[in-house]
Amino acid sequence: QSALTQPASVSGSPGQSITISCTGTSSDVGGYNFVSWYQQHPGKAPKLMIYEVSNRPSGASNRFSGSKSGNTASLTISGLQPEDEADYYCSSYTSITTFYVFGTGTKVTVL
Amino acid sequence: EVQLVESGGGLVQPGGSLRLSCAASGFIFDDYAMHWVRQGPGKGLEWVSGITWNSGTKGYADSVKGRFTISRDNAKNSLYLQMNSLRTEDTGLYYCAKVGPSFGSDAFDIWGQGTMVTVSS
Repeated sequence: QSALTQPASVSGSPGQSITISCTGTSSDVGGYNFVSWYQQHPGKAPKLMIYEVSNRPSGASNRFSGSKSGNTASLTISGLQPEDEADYYCSSYTSITTFYVFGTGTKVTVL
Repeated sequence: EVQLVESGGGLVQPGGSLRLSCAASGFIFDDYAMHWVRQGPGKGLEWVSGITWNSGTKGYADSVKGRFTISRDNAKNSLYLQMNSLRTEDTGLYYCAKVGPSFGSDAFDIWGQGTMVTVSS
């Protein structure tokens, strides 16, 4: 099972919106609405930001939103803030292992 | 407070064994599937293994299949990972993660702080 594909880096200025893509196959992202997104600051554990493609857990900022089209899921951060600078990972259920696969990770830089 | 605390990491030689533990508190442990996720130094997240609430189903990444064994003790609110035949590429920070927000979800809503495993001669 190969990792889901994410861009290595995305950057934006404060207040702007950015979008991170997560590309898989019909066996994972495209086949199920079980995509989640995690934020990880240096030296910290990951934090769940989006689950089941577009749902936000309590405690996650409403500036974060998720969507999916075909085999590609996306995380959009609106009104970019300095504290959004972190690594972001997508994850999906996969029928290949019947468990989970993570994306390659994206480093978000706030200019 | 919902909390996961991992322990058992350390330095081990290639071919050696370690047993990781994860102590859960603040939620009904036996309602939820649990997982182990690792992160190599400077690398991304890798799903390692998962177990359903009643231990009825267990899964492993291809990279650890046949070498690692996941288990849980619901009476002790604890999750375990027995790691045998360790390789240098198993080096990393091992996180325990709870499925959530609900028991039917397919995301990891609570993570521990991680326990470091270093495989080196």
